[in-house]
Amino acid sequence: GAGVSQTPSNKVTEKGKYVELRCDPISGHTALYWYRQSLGQGPEFLIYFQGTGAADDSGLPNDRFFAVRPEGSVSTLKIQRTERGDSAVYLCASSLTSGQGTGANVLTFGAGSRLTVL
Amino acid sequence: QKEVEQNSGPLSVPEGAIASLNCTYSDRGSQSFFWYRQYSGKSPELIMSIYSNGDKEDGRFTAQLNKASQYVSLLIRDSQPSDSATYLCAVRMARGQNFVFGPGTRLSVLP
Repeated sequence: GAGVSQTPSNKVTEKGKYVELRCDPISGHTALYWYRQSLGQGPEFLIYFQGTGAADDSGLPNDRFFAVRPEGSVSTLKIQRTERGDSAVYLCASSLTSGQGTGANVLTFGAGSRLTVL
Repeated sequence: QKEVEQNSGPLSVPEGAIASLNCTYSDRGSQSFFWYRQYSGKSPELIMSIYSNGDKEDGRFTAQLNKASQYVSLLIRDSQPSDSATYLCAVRMARGQNFVFGPGTRLSVLP
């Protein structure tokens, strides 16, 4: 697509529920990144994919968080047993590659998915 | 020590003045540095990238990098009210190759 698309734009759920957030990157972009941003803070790295594989998942806060990208395009961030502290805007970004050079270094962000856990 | 640090602000400057935004980072091996602008309620957008020591100019924006001091800055000349936003410094880590963002500096340009 023309830009990075994230759905849903807003999700309100109850504590303990399961949530899935979807990211559709720019067509042809092989690298995909997930970030979480709380109010007044910078984006916090969660995980990034190069193709289908997770190249670095060191930012996932605990085992309730999981992400997949089975066909190297669309990615889903899955959060189990949601807690109030998971409330944030979840941002997805993509870049042409994840190596070196301009194509690897330009991140294009989606509009984000705002998650509210009651 | 946090990996990327910025003054949170808010930084207020009058219209037409120069705004100076600063960033320090901890990973000495990092080679790629970025400034993103984020308007309230919107997602970050890339405005400048810099890879070599010295200055890089693009219109009203100048990025400055000093790897020895692990310091990156952004100067905005002739500041406009439309420049009012949060400016995020991002560093591409030498290990892992992910991008780490600072907390952002909120800039307010007063008409």
